[in-house]
Amino acid sequence: TQLLEQSPQFLSIQEGENLTVYCNSSSVFSSLQWYRQEPGEGPVLLVTVVTGGEVKKLKRLTFQFGDARKDSSLHITAAQPGDTGLYLCAGVTWNNAGNMLTFGGGTRLMVKP
Amino acid sequence: NAGVTQTPKFQVLKTGQSMTLQCAQDMNHNSMYWYRQDPGMGLRLIYYSASEGTTDKGEVPNGYNVSRLNKREFSLRLESAAPSQTSVYFCASSETVASGNTGELFFGEGSRLTVL
Repeated sequence: TQLLEQSPQFLSIQEGENLTVYCNSSSVFSSLQWYRQEPGEGPVLLVTVVTGGEVKKLKRLTFQFGDARKDSSLHITAAQPGDTGLYLCAGVTWNNAGNMLTFGGGTRLMVKP
Repeated sequence: NAGVTQTPKFQVLKTGQSMTLQCAQDMNHNSMYWYRQDPGMGLRLIYYSASEGTTDKGEVPNGYNVSRLNKREFSLRLESAAPSQTSVYFCASSETVASGNTGELFFGEGSRLTVL
């Protein structure tokens, strides 16, 4: 069983602060995805990183895939209350049955105004 | 834009009762999935279906059965509910890998199940 360890589990910060969420595994993945989930809704994809060492930016969010494709990080600059939510990383592997995702435990972020 | 639709959104069962969660997607996706979400444990795969007529076990299949009724619909059945099955259940769909996509999953809004 492939495991993804996500840290921290909870994070409460003030508006304007920076933060980093980590996603680590001993397994290699074809790609890694980050999802964001709001209360009462399903997760929604933020980004997919595919190449080892890849860095992608989405406005104030920066995603990085580790060189060995086993870990990833999400950095938020100048967090805003609208960033509040549950952030989930997911390692993607492909087989004959399709794309299989292994999810981390999630990071619950609260940004206070 | 319906996407993935799940019913019911909420359900309370007594131990031993049975029920079926329904899921339908209108994106013409081949692959469909059922996950359960528990606090601090992320999403765990129960069953998945790569195409119409095929189903496979995921990480936590015990106590569940599934049916891929057609390309659009994928149902999850609890034959004899137990308190350990209290959870939020999510159905998801995706395009096949052969399409050259990133493997994005599209999720429904979830079904909150409580077993007393």
